[in-house]
Amino acid sequence: EAQLVESGGGLIQPGGSLRLSCEVSDFTVSSNYMSWVRQAPGKGLEWVSILYPGGDTYYADFVKGRFTISRDNSKNTLFLQMNSLGAEDTAVYFCARVAAYYYFLHWGLGTLVTVSS
Amino acid sequence: EIVLTQSPATLSLSPGERATLSCRASQSFGTSLAWYQQKPGQAPRVVIYDASTRATGIPARFSGSASETDFTLTISSLDPEDFAVYYCQQRTNWPPRFTFGQGTRLEI
Repeated sequence: EAQLVESGGGLIQPGGSLRLSCEVSDFTVSSNYMSWVRQAPGKGLEWVSILYPGGDTYYADFVKGRFTISRDNSKNTLFLQMNSLGAEDTAVYFCARVAAYYYFLHWGLGTLVTVSS
Repeated sequence: EIVLTQSPATLSLSPGERATLSCRASQSFGTSLAWYQQKPGQAPRVVIYDASTRATGIPARFSGSASETDFTLTISSLDPEDFAVYYCQQRTNWPPRFTFGQGTRLEI
């Protein structure tokens, strides 16, 4: 069964940077549409970014050039580089495998990012 | 941008009862809509995709339907394990954007 394990979250000061990782087992990251979805504490789900098998990337409007999604094919791992973090970015970040171009079939357990001074 | 509005925000029912959750889209986009179940401290799990197809391992008491911009998730007879928050979700083709509804909390 597909497994996705996020890591890299933690406490970071406003304006700082973090790199999240998502290690994948039982399917190939480079052959799938892969995404990041976040959830602020007590709030709903919010899509962040998607990486296509061909390498195209797309982001939610709120990202505003601050985040970069990427992958390492040799490690079968998805990344999210987050810069210029603000308090509004505090959330659990989930990586997810996208199916049929639109829905999130497999999810990791998430990694918590807390932006606070 | 398509907005998904879920109702009610909270639904209080008892085991064995029927649950009907609504998701209304601000404009028509077909039937590429998914429903997710999320329990506290867990990742979401897809229960329905393509508006009416049950995901693998989802019990038959879950069903989905669509009518133009109105989507419904029905749980025919609630099991205690069904109490959770449910989200609907769709994707805009271009530019690619993925939108979730605000969620319906199904509680005992």
